[in-house]
Amino acid sequence: DSGVTQTPKHLITATGQRVTLRCSPRSGDLSVYWYQQSLDQGLQFLIQYYNGEERAKGNILERFSAQQFPDLHSELNLSSLELGDSALYFCASSVGNSGANVLTFGAGSRLTVL
Amino acid sequence: GQQVMQIPQYQHVQEGEDFTTYCNSSTTLSNIQWYKQRPGGHPVFLIQLVKSGEVKKQKRLTFQFGEAKKNSSLHITATQTTDVGTYFCAGHRSNDYKLSFGAGTTVTVRA
Repeated sequence: DSGVTQTPKHLITATGQRVTLRCSPRSGDLSVYWYQQSLDQGLQFLIQYYNGEERAKGNILERFSAQQFPDLHSELNLSSLELGDSALYFCASSVGNSGANVLTFGAGSRLTVL
Repeated sequence: GQQVMQIPQYQHVQEGEDFTTYCNSSTTLSNIQWYKQRPGGHPVFLIQLVKSGEVKKQKRLTFQFGEAKKNSSLHITATQTTDVGTYFCAGHRSNDYKLSFGAGTTVTVRA
């Protein structure tokens, strides 16, 4: 157990639907990152939050949004889902907001869009 | 797109042999990290390199950061079946908050 908790582990939904993925960072970590990993693909950075504020944005689609709450947990909202959104979504956390910080990853949420 | 390039994408290794995976950046990095993702698992941090020319070892794994801080390598000696997985490098530029991951090298081992 890495200390980063992601729910749900698996999610199957239909095109056009909306889902929310949840992440609780490791105790003491203030930064949360979201990554997307498609089949046989690398880790595509989506977005980073630090202590409730957005810090960096990557290749995140406009249909996707995220936020970090006062208790530091984060949610990634995916809407108007398309088949191509099927992927493994990882949340990671770190102590600070620098790129030099080591990331601790959660087990991931596997999204299947049918 | 990826700011950090990793080669090869796939590495098929005979058990007991050595191999090396390479990571290259077009810009100077302030540090580079390596992660390992076992099949069906999540990325797990292995090591971070910060200094130019730095070399670090973890048992059979040797990590190196280039003199120009634009490239890095991971060398595994006497490959074992436990080395199976995907190895990612991730680079950080000093003027950037985020860590840019390479596409990874997926390693399979023939017994």
